[in-house]
Amino acid sequence: GNSVTQMEGPVTLSEEAFLTINCTYTATGYPSLFWYVQYPGEGLQLLLKATKADDKGSNKGFEATYRKETTSFHLEKGSVQVSDSAVYFCALSVDTGFQKLVFGTGTRLLVSP
Amino acid sequence: GAGVSQSPSNKVTEKGKDVELRCDPISGHTALYWYRQSLGQGLEFLIYFQGNSAPDKSGLPSDRFSAERTGGSVSTLTIQRTQQEDSAVYLCASSLTSGSHHEQFFGPGTRLTVL
Repeated sequence: GNSVTQMEGPVTLSEEAFLTINCTYTATGYPSLFWYVQYPGEGLQLLLKATKADDKGSNKGFEATYRKETTSFHLEKGSVQVSDSAVYFCALSVDTGFQKLVFGTGTRLLVSP
Repeated sequence: GAGVSQSPSNKVTEKGKDVELRCDPISGHTALYWYRQSLGQGLEFLIYFQGNSAPDKSGLPSDRFSAERTGGSVSTLTIQRTQQEDSAVYLCASSLTSGSHHEQFFGPGTRLTVL
């Protein structure tokens, strides 16, 4: 089956620290990969995505590279801000005619000043 | 423009009662999805609509759960004879079409608490 595993949280960092949130996947077929973010009190938002191997998705200073050989899609940011505090979800979709998202359990990021 | 809206934002009900959760997708979006976010299970897919039909209902946890969509727009998720394990945040999302390249836009969710 299809599944996503991401690191347990919370991840606690100081402002301007480097961030990595690990994500690995198992999929039948060739998935598209996504990172979604949920800010406090808000709905899920797409942060970035990659649809084929070696693609790099990027947005708001966050990056993730689709690594087929290691079945990974780790999220990175060089310098986090307090405003990045949120829950981050890694997800995949295998196109079966529609985008059926399979999510990881989410990782809470807490950034302190 | 307006995003996906859901109502109510919070619902507290007693075990055994029926509840209806509503989703208003973004105007013009033909694809609509329901997900459930619960402490024990994370974020799970429930059902997908393309227009008014539901080609994939595979995520509905039991026959107490049903959903419909009318006019290619508003969708209602109904839970009959609610149980405590139904307590969760129910999320709705819509996308322009069902194609994998179209982003899903999520609503703020309905938090359901079954006492």
